[in-house]
Amino acid sequence: GIQVEQSPPDLILQEGANSTLRCNFSDSVNNLQWFHQNPWGQLINLFYIPSGTKQNGRLSATTVATERYSLLYISSSQTTDSGVYFCAVEGDSGYALNFGKGTSLLVTP
Amino acid sequence: DAMVIQNPRYQVTQFGKPVTLSCSQTLNHNVMYWYQQKSSQAPKLLFHYYDKDFNNEADTPDNFQSRRPNTSFCFLDIRSPGLGDAAMYLCATRSGVHQPQHFGDGTRLSIL
Repeated sequence: GIQVEQSPPDLILQEGANSTLRCNFSDSVNNLQWFHQNPWGQLINLFYIPSGTKQNGRLSATTVATERYSLLYISSSQTTDSGVYFCAVEGDSGYALNFGKGTSLLVTP
Repeated sequence: DAMVIQNPRYQVTQFGKPVTLSCSQTLNHNVMYWYQQKSSQAPKLLFHYYDKDFNNEADTPDNFQSRRPNTSFCFLDIRSPGLGDAAMYLCATRSGVHQPQHFGDGTRLSIL
């Protein structure tokens, strides 16, 4: 199946800092989603972004499908941004999401 | 309003005692999924339905079964839970191919 690699695996930021999370994938995709899993285990959909660029408040994402990567930008980070960020993709012949191992983010006051 | 609803949020059962987790959706989506997420791991697909067509992943244990009596509801049955089945179970839906998946809040299952 399609391979998904996320980096970095762990990240510690001070409140107010910016960060970039990366997702590389091994084949062409027809679905790419970024999720935030909060400390209570809820998986929050941030972006559906198989290609192009989207922004939602302090968060934005870019997927360059031809080069098989996606980036998630977090600006002016807040303590509530803490949690695990997952990138998940679905290949052209797939039917379900393949998740990366996630980036664990801790934002300190 | 929540569109994919999982009940209960927390479930405790005894080793070997059957347990059922439920998922309902108000989105009228054709496709429903069950994922298992163990501690510090990524979610892993167990099975999915496309309408009434059931699709089991090759490595899903026989201990796990599912029912979808109608479009809105889907159930995960664990016949004889073992300690290794303690996990977060996530339900998701989507309307069709090339569409995003929508997840419920999950049910955290503990085995005593």
